[in-house]
Amino acid sequence: EAGVAQSPRYKIIEKRQSVAFWCNPISGHATLYWYQQILGQGPKLLIQFQNNGVVDDSQLPKDRFSAERLKGVDSTLKIQPAKLEDSAVYLCASSSPETQYFGPGTRLLVL
Amino acid sequence: AQSVTQLDSHVSVSEGTPVLLRCNYSSSYSPSLFWYVQHPNKGLQLLLKYTSAATLVKGINGFEAEFKKSETSFHLTKPSAHMSDAAEYFCVVHSGAGSYQLTFGKGTKLSVIP
Repeated sequence: EAGVAQSPRYKIIEKRQSVAFWCNPISGHATLYWYQQILGQGPKLLIQFQNNGVVDDSQLPKDRFSAERLKGVDSTLKIQPAKLEDSAVYLCASSSPETQYFGPGTRLLVL
Repeated sequence: AQSVTQLDSHVSVSEGTPVLLRCNYSSSYSPSLFWYVQHPNKGLQLLLKYTSAATLVKGINGFEAEFKKSETSFHLTKPSAHMSDAAEYFCVVHSGAGSYQLTFGKGTKLSVIP
């Protein structure tokens, strides 16, 4: 069974630029999550989708972050404009239903 | 509300000796509990999970954890550490109250000395 796929794996941008991350969940998983993991900390949930609807986005900084899940499968997370404090690993996970499986993450460095 | 406390930020053991990573939780509901491992520059991998069945849970790579409700603990153990066990370990709680949101501990970094 293929795991959760994410791209790119690494991204370096300058502050105020925009960036987008892509996630393809495990086939058949209706629930998809985006987490932010800052160095030295545990992952923090940014947004949770159930199919193509948002279940929880209470910790998403909506002034600069946006996410969508068209057709209930793939998802993109966008940051515009990026700040230095956005440097982190962005993890995507999908669940079946209560066990979450994580992708390899995208490591973002904002200079 | 739910929370997780990992009691040690860093644990160092010698290869071949036992591993103990400590975790305490709080939850308003009967929790599901997980341990995930994260190797450097890799994603999170599920080690094991407790979902109200047997209190002693066996996972991959020889790890196991015991759910103790009276102590609100879910410590992770392994009889004999291997060099490949060196990684960051996260204790995670899910409240089961209609949401699948996970709450992560801050992680314990395990170092294995040859």
